[in-house]
Formats: sequence, structure tokens, C-alpha cells
Amino acid sequence: AQTVTQSQPEMSVQEAETVTLSCTYDTSESDYYLFWYKQPPSRQMILVIRQEAYKQQNATENRFSVNFQKAAKSFSLKISDSQLGDAAMYFCAYRSADGSSNTGKLIFGQGTTLQVKP
Amino acid sequence: DGGITQSPKYLFRKEGQNVTLSCEQNLNHDAMYWYRQDPGQGLRLIYYSQIVNDFQKGDIAEGYSVSREKKESFPLTVTSAQKNPTAFYLCASSTSGHPYNEQFFGPGTRLTVL
Repeated sequence: AQTVTQSQPEMSVQEAETVTLSCTYDTSESDYYLFWYKQPPSRQMILVIRQEAYKQQNATENRFSVNFQKAAKSFSLKISDSQLGDAAMYFCAYRSADGSSNTGKLIFGQGTTLQVKP
Repeated sequence: DGGITQSPKYLFRKEGQNVTLSCEQNLNHDAMYWYRQDPGQGLRLIYYSQIVNDFQKGDIAEGYSVSREKKESFPLTVTSAQKNPTAFYLCASSTSGHPYNEQFFGPGTRLTVL
């Protein structure tokens, strides 16, 4: 079974600086998808960024980028030029690409709460 | 505007009662999901449905039931058999067919057992 681990329960960053949130996962599959979701205080989950495992190039979305290390099974999220609105809980998630077992379900990590200091 | 609605936002239940959480989407998505969120544990899958009139158990289905009679609706019933139902419940939906597709989430329902 696949697992996702976020070892940092809480992180803080100064406004306008850069922060990296860690995520590791365990799987025996070679093809899969990885996601970062943001959950602000409103608790509405919002997709931040996603990565296809067979693509070596790291995904980027404006100020958000990932460092995907497939061999190390690591998928960290870097937030550049942090803004007050980035304060939220961030979840790393895994989804299998295996068609036979693909329920579409996401396997989530425990989450990291990010505080942004003005 | 397209999206997912969940109701109620807050729900209180006495022990021994069944309660039903509503989830409706107007995104024309085939697949719908129910997750449970507990502090420090992330989200866990309760049930999912990839098509009308069909659904499967997720990782923590015991004490829960669902139905999928309409494409737009996927209600979750928390039964008295659920030992520890106090949690935050999130409904999600996505287009089916490719695991890269984004799952969209509703605003959630906070259930508290008194």
C-alpha cells in the first residue's frame, strides 16, 4: 500500500521569503501522480500544483514549484516570495496511475501548517 | 458558477442517531468521493463512486453508507455503528478517466457527536 509522509507539522516563513515543505512517499509503482493541496482557514481545499511521475521536469505554477526526486521518493513544495495569503495547511497527495487499481482516490499526508509572518 | 456544495456546514448528533451529509455538484463530474479529516491524520477516503448507481468502499467505510442515484448527488450517512464520528467531512468530485484530473472539493461539514 502507498503511504505519504509529511514530517513537518508546522513551518513558518517571513513574508517575501522562500520556504520549502517536505513530502516523502512510499510506493512500488512506477507510474503515479503527485499533488499539493492548500487548505486555508476556510477549510476549502485548493489544488496548488501537480506532477506526473514519468516527467522529469519539475512542475511550476507562478510562485509555487516542486522538487521531484523520483529515486528518493521525495516531492517537496517551494513557495517563493511568500505572501500572507499563503498561510494555510498544505497537504501532499499521491494518486496511482494503475488502471486496474485506479479508483481515483488520493492518498494524503498528515499536512503541514504554514505560518507567514509580516 | 460551477462547484460543489455541502450541507449543513455544522452538524450535531446525539449518540445512537444516524445523520446524512449532503453533497451536490454541478460540474458534470462522473466521479465523487467522501473523505474524512482528523487532526494530524490528513484526509482518508470513506467511499467513492465513479458512475451513477455504483459505489465502492474506501479505506474507512465501516459505520458509513452512501447512495448515488443521481450524477449530481452523493449523500453520506453516518450511522450509529460509527464509533468515533466527530470529524470534518469533505466531498470531492472529478472527471473520470485519467488520474491526472484534478479533484475539486466542497467546503466541508463539521460533525460533532454530543
